[in-house]
Amino acid sequence: AQSVTQLGSHVSVSEGALVLLRCNYSSSVPPYLFWYVQYPNQGLQLLLKYTSAATLVKGINGFEAEFKKSETSFHLTKPSAHMSDAAEYFCAVSEYTGTASKLTFGTGTRLQVTL
Amino acid sequence: GAVVSQHPSWVICKSGTSVKIECRSLDFQATTMFWYRQFPKQSLMLMATSNEGSKATYEQGVEKDKFLINHASLTLSTLTVTSAHPEDSSFYICSARALAGGSSYEQYFGPGTRLTVT
Repeated sequence: AQSVTQLGSHVSVSEGALVLLRCNYSSSVPPYLFWYVQYPNQGLQLLLKYTSAATLVKGINGFEAEFKKSETSFHLTKPSAHMSDAAEYFCAVSEYTGTASKLTFGTGTRLQVTL
Repeated sequence: GAVVSQHPSWVICKSGTSVKIECRSLDFQATTMFWYRQFPKQSLMLMATSNEGSKATYEQGVEKDKFLINHASLTLSTLTVTSAHPEDSSFYICSARALAGGSSYEQYFGPGTRLTVT
């Protein structure tokens, strides 16, 4: 079975500050890992994904995440927050490699960006 | 890029009626689509996996007779909530699986449908 734990349901940062959203996973096989962003009343948009290639993954909008097997973590970071980054962020794991199958989502982290 | 649409985006219905939600892949074919349910301020919970031309696979605890899924073509899957009740009010999101490069697949998500049952 696979699972994802997102630490912190709500994170608040100042505009221009570092964004760090935490995600830890559990999987019995090498995982595929994903970060999605959701704006109010909208679907999910893929920010980035790890598929067993480079451990540091760069995504859209300046976000990146590093896969650390020893820590079973896949934390999302952005050097400088922007007001437009305020949204809900979901970490997800897929157990099956090669063919993305069922995604298991974390409970989400709401990012607030203040002036 | 791969675009997935949902219709309607918002629907209000009376208790006891049925509601159909459509999920379409606009610029690609999807043999597999997924239906998720999201309660306010909560995560997405997978309801079922929809495969074109075959019966959907439902997750544990999801009533297949209540949530009817039909994947009749490679670009359309429908979710029908039968005899809807207020507790069925939720945000329903679909995704479609497509090749993202090489042999790697990716899920592309629709914008969601908000169902309110009165």
